[in-house]
Amino acid sequence: EAQVTQNPRYLITVTGKKLTVTCSQNMNHEYMSWYRQDPGLGLRQIYYSMNVEVTDKGDVPEGYKVSRKEKRNFPLILESPSPNQTSLYFCASSPTSGQGIGEETQYFGPGTRLLVL
Amino acid sequence: GNSVTQMEGPVTLSEEAFLTINCTYTATGYPSLFWYVQYPGEGLQLLLKATKADDKGSNKGFEATYRKETTSFHLEKGSVQVSDSAVYFCALSERNRGSTLGRLYFGRGTQLTVWP
Repeated sequence: EAQVTQNPRYLITVTGKKLTVTCSQNMNHEYMSWYRQDPGLGLRQIYYSMNVEVTDKGDVPEGYKVSRKEKRNFPLILESPSPNQTSLYFCASSPTSGQGIGEETQYFGPGTRLLVL
Repeated sequence: GNSVTQMEGPVTLSEEAFLTINCTYTATGYPSLFWYVQYPGEGLQLLLKATKADDKGSNKGFEATYRKETTSFHLEKGSVQVSDSAVYFCALSERNRGSTLGRLYFGRGTQLTVWP
């Protein structure tokens, strides 16, 4: 089954304790991206990757790191989490064309709910 | 810059009522426009899309027309069902614009609740 998986689905942690949220897709998509969803703010893009070893910042990259060493995986790293990073996080992937992701459908994972105390 | 503005929610309707959720956008290039839907406890999934002006996207009875002259992409459905209760997001992505080729811009989402 074609899908985007995220782990863990739920996470409670404390301020400053490094954590990684994994994202994996089995559709051989070039593009992957991370978003956070907060009430009243919709989805905001954190980081994206157009292909292996190519990453770039979205709207809200502060406090986050990513890496893209393999095509299928795109982990999100919070080196020193803070309470303002409490949120619902989504990973997404899509194919690309000569026009980037312009016409492509994004495929979303089920989300990771993070609480930072 | 690029941005998407959606009508504020929540929207509450009775079954079989007509639905409109307004979406307007600002873009510096040639955007594609999308509606994504998020059912309770799930990730987002594509509802419909339109990639150029005057295109109409449609799916599951929902429709939206890409209006370049009014920079709008309003979502409509003639007769909503209880199963349509969800959060709806309007989104924009650009093409042929160099460094923005990987960016996707979402509206704030509109919660729809349909009562039987």
